[in-house]
Amino acid sequence: DQQVKQNSPSLSVQEGRISILNCDYTNSMFDYFLWYKKYPAEGPTFLISISSIKDKNEDGRFTVFLNKSAKHLSLHIVPSQPGDSAVYFCAASAGNQFYFGTGTSLTVIP
Amino acid sequence: KAGVTQTPRYLIKTRGQQVTLSCSPISGHRSVSWYQQTPGQGLQFLFEYFSETQRNKGNFPGRFSGRQFSNSRSEMNVSTLELGDSALYLCASSLVLGGSEQFFGPGTRLTVL
Repeated sequence: DQQVKQNSPSLSVQEGRISILNCDYTNSMFDYFLWYKKYPAEGPTFLISISSIKDKNEDGRFTVFLNKSAKHLSLHIVPSQPGDSAVYFCAASAGNQFYFGTGTSLTVIP
Repeated sequence: KAGVTQTPRYLIKTRGQQVTLSCSPISGHRSVSWYQQTPGQGLQFLFEYFSETQRNKGNFPGRFSGRQFSNSRSEMNVSTLELGDSALYLCASSLVLGGSEQFFGPGTRLTVL
């Protein structure tokens, strides 16, 4: 049973516009959430994280929003750049184990 | 500082065979986790090793096993391979057990024929 879901397998955005990637989870015990970016032939790289005690965390062009009541997580990229084109995975943990979504492939069109 | 390395990068096996994958974590990292990535299931947690002991385990059959050595290097073994085991196997290292920031290797692409 998939505890972390990314319902959009792909997303295309024009360069300079905002990219919004979404993630839903089912386990209310999750207390830490992360986003990873993955380029082809490489392992995922850590992008940004948020603790359940916060509802927003910002790092440069990347902002993660957490809505605990809706069990929803989103990643905003502003402005989007062609180099952001990659697969983005959200992950959640409760304790020591991480659960990943199936990924969203983002294409930023120049 | 060198990143996480995995060997081999690509592997082709036939059903019924067994395979061993290797992962060398970042120097100083003591935790190694293994994941299976398939297109439909995303990244699924296999197990985590810390100080040569398996600390956490995902929902995979007993055909999937692993171990960690005193230098923190880890190996993953899959016995009696099935077609469905074809996937990208990723390992990730972190400083501590259950570390929130994991550093991933490039993965081993296993194809089972």
